[in-house]
Amino acid sequence: DQQVKQNSPSLSVQEGRISILNCDYTNSMFDYFLWYKKYPAEGPTFLISISSIKDKNEDGRFTVFLNKSAKHLSLHIVPSQPGDSAVYFCAASAWGGNKLVFGAGTILRVKS
Amino acid sequence: NAGVTQTPKFQVLKTGQSMTLQCAQDMNHNSMYWYRQDPGMGLRLIYYSASEGTTDKGEVPNGYNVSRLNKREFSLRLESAAPSQTSVYFCASSDRNNSPLHFGNGTRLTVT
Repeated sequence: DQQVKQNSPSLSVQEGRISILNCDYTNSMFDYFLWYKKYPAEGPTFLISISSIKDKNEDGRFTVFLNKSAKHLSLHIVPSQPGDSAVYFCAASAWGGNKLVFGAGTILRVKS
Repeated sequence: NAGVTQTPKFQVLKTGQSMTLQCAQDMNHNSMYWYRQDPGMGLRLIYYSASEGTTDKGEVPNGYNVSRLNKREFSLRLESAAPSQTSVYFCASSDRNNSPLHFGNGTRLTVT
């Protein structure tokens, strides 16, 4: 039973356009959410996070939105660049906890 | 800064063989983790160590043992490898709860 779900295995976007990656969760105890980016043959690297007291967090081209009532979060990348092509993982934990639960990942391809 | 270092990078084992995956971090982090990544399943937590001297089971601990040798090092042992343990293994560390995990570059293990 996956507690964190990324229902789109892949996404293809034109360079310069917006990329929107989605994530749903089922555990109502989750209140800290993160996005990780992974290139082939490397470990995941932290991208951006959000706690449940916020509904939006921005860092440069990356914005994460949290809809607690829908148990849904999304990552927006604007503008998308070819170097953004990677696998993106959504992850969640309960506040004060130290165990992250990951989604299956979405492969993003940004075409130039 | 090396961050999180994993050895070896690649390993092929026959069913029933044993091996230890090594992990070391140089960031003075308290918590360390072992995840495995399988296609379509994201990263799943095997074991973690919240602090030196403690270890706890994660989501998929069967067939594995761990040792938190000191604050820097956290090893994962397969006593009798099985084909179902073919995977990419990632070690990670964090300095406190609700802080991002820092990952190593992984060990790709094949069990034949």
